[in-house]
Amino acid sequence: EVQLVETGGGLIQPGGSLSLSCAASGFTVSSNYMNWVRQAPGKGLEWVSVIYGGASTYYADSVKGRFTISRDDSQNTLYLQMNSLRAEDTAVYYCARDYGGVGQLDYWGQGTLVTVSS
Amino acid sequence: QSALTQPASVSGSPGQSISISCTGTSSDVGGYNYVSWYQQNPGKAPKLIIYGVTNRPSGVSHRFSGSKSGNTASLAISGLQAEDEAHYYCNSYTTSGTLVFGGGTKLTVL
Repeated sequence: EVQLVETGGGLIQPGGSLSLSCAASGFTVSSNYMNWVRQAPGKGLEWVSVIYGGASTYYADSVKGRFTISRDDSQNTLYLQMNSLRAEDTAVYYCARDYGGVGQLDYWGQGTLVTVSS
Repeated sequence: QSALTQPASVSGSPGQSISISCTGTSSDVGGYNYVSWYQQNPGKAPKLIIYGVTNRPSGVSHRFSGSKSGNTASLAISGLQAEDEAHYYCNSYTTSGTLVFGGGTKLTVL
């Protein structure tokens, strides 16, 4: 059974850093396109980042230079390192598998809430 | 990376059919047949219901269908049921190698 479990969310002050994890089971992270998608409270979905292949990465303009996506193949786990956090980064962060690498997000985690506030 | 445009809300009565549009540009929706649709219930993760413009994953009702014309994709739901009441989001692959989502549409079953 495919499962994605995010951890690491919490309350952080503006300018701070936080690292999210997404533990996968039932498939191999390194063989798939893995994404982070976020959803601000009461708002829509926003794509954040993707990692695939030999660790190629892309980022949304809103997080470029501040967030870093990575993975640990031995742990079958996806990560999102978030630095210089802003109030507008407050959201539920989901990890999701993209089957085929063209936006077909077929498996999602339950999400983890990140709140940036003083 | 502008969001795709969706109507904020649509509504219909049980048994009726509705359609939700998703408008982008030639750099995303119009450039590829890589539009997907998601259903999201309150407090839950999104669920994939259409991929590759017209394809349904296993287990998704045949009442859901997708199409595309130019820069606009559409999700149609026939035979509306109370359980269809949810938020619906489209996304598309882009020429930049990124993904972009629509702003979301709240479907109300009257």
